[in-house]
Amino acid sequence: GAVVSQHPSRVICKSGTSVKIECRSLDFQATTMFWYRQFPKKSLMLMATSNEGSKATYEQGVEKDKFLINHASLTLSTLTVTSAHPEDSSFYICSVPMTSGRADEQFFGPGTRLTVL
Amino acid sequence: AQKVTQAQTEISVVEKEDVTLDCVYETRDTTYYLFWYKQPPSGELVFLIRRNSFDEQNEISGRYSWNFQKSTSSFNFTITASQVVDSAVYFCALSPPYDYKLSFGAGTTVTVRA
Repeated sequence: GAVVSQHPSRVICKSGTSVKIECRSLDFQATTMFWYRQFPKKSLMLMATSNEGSKATYEQGVEKDKFLINHASLTLSTLTVTSAHPEDSSFYICSVPMTSGRADEQFFGPGTRLTVL
Repeated sequence: AQKVTQAQTEISVVEKEDVTLDCVYETRDTTYYLFWYKQPPSGELVFLIRRNSFDEQNEISGRYSWNFQKSTSSFNFTITASQVVDSAVYFCALSPPYDYKLSFGAGTTVTVRA
């Protein structure tokens, strides 16, 4: 079964509204989760690292006030797109690494497709 | 800085043909990990393989095989006797050691026609 879930899988919203996307680790606790963004027919770009108990760290060029990340618990990270605009429309994917320290044990969520009208 | 280049944007083949996807990477790290992921139309990433930079052995898994050439910084992926179900976008990715942050290539869209 799925190791990482995302909710919702698809969301359509009006410009100016905020949208919250959840990423849940189903099988293990995760002190770190990652958020990626994928534009249509494009590659995945790392947006930020979600850290349980501390602030998220954002990649260069990612607006932290625009993309709010909260690592609420060891199994849940949320990404809130604030005051969404059409250019925020994208496929958002979270990933959860196992804490064993092995780089190959990283699990991706099924993704959330955001469409801003 | 890390960079992954997948020069092939799209590849279209007829079923049962072999298809090779190219991946060239750049990194200053002496140790690193290389990955291949498959992204079918559903969007969910499917892990295919991880390769440690110290391990230059080629690998075969069923119809899939990987050719790692450290001297040319390449990690190519071959699908033998392709099937329609292989149609997807394939991503090559790179990460530093003990860091889960992945740098993805642009992806190659593979279309297998019946």
